[in-house]
Amino acid sequence: DAMVIQNPRYQVTQFGKPVTLSCSQTLNHNVMYWYQQKSSQAPKLLFHYYDKDFNNEADTPDNFQSRRPNTSFCFLDIRSPGLGDAAMYLCATSRGRQGAIGEQYFGPGTRLTVT
Amino acid sequence: SQQGEEDPQALSIQEGENATMNCSYKTSINNLQWYRQNSGRGLVHLILIRSNEREKHSGRLRVTLDTSKKSSSLLITASRAADTASYFCATEIQGAQKLVFGQGTRLTINP
Repeated sequence: DAMVIQNPRYQVTQFGKPVTLSCSQTLNHNVMYWYQQKSSQAPKLLFHYYDKDFNNEADTPDNFQSRRPNTSFCFLDIRSPGLGDAAMYLCATSRGRQGAIGEQYFGPGTRLTVT
Repeated sequence: SQQGEEDPQALSIQEGENATMNCSYKTSINNLQWYRQNSGRGLVHLILIRSNEREKHSGRLRVTLDTSKKSSSLLITASRAADTASYFCATEIQGAQKLVFGQGTRLTINP
């Protein structure tokens, strides 16, 4: 089945130790998103790729970066995780056409713990 | 400021009753979408209603959109215990290529 896969599902890292979360998709969608979601809050968009174009949200900290080496894969790099970065990280995809995006398909998320 | 605001923040009803959640937004949209999220999981798309549509149905779900009031409602009829989840509205803002999510409604169905 076509899907969005996130690895790992649970990640524990130490304060200040770089960590990379990965996302892959078999939907062949051209748009990929990374969201941060803290407990009982709405998902907060960090950035997205529309094809190869990278779009960073204005309030996304510099500590967060992303790479999209090909259509199927997207990575979230946290350079120096702080305790405040502990959250669920959600990857999503959509089919973008003529600037519109339609519905999004989400992966199961990676829960990041910072010790 | 928040694009999407949902009401109520939490709703608890008995199984078999109907559940209604409301969403308001501020700017012009291409469409409005509703998602469900079970605890600790990713979001699942439920329904999309375009800005030129007023009502849409999918199984036990009914969504309305009033663009003059910038509001939408999600009705779940004949609720089941499995409907227990958080429900989020999300708006696709014109020209933005992204969704903006509301704060969500936490729905609890009591058996």
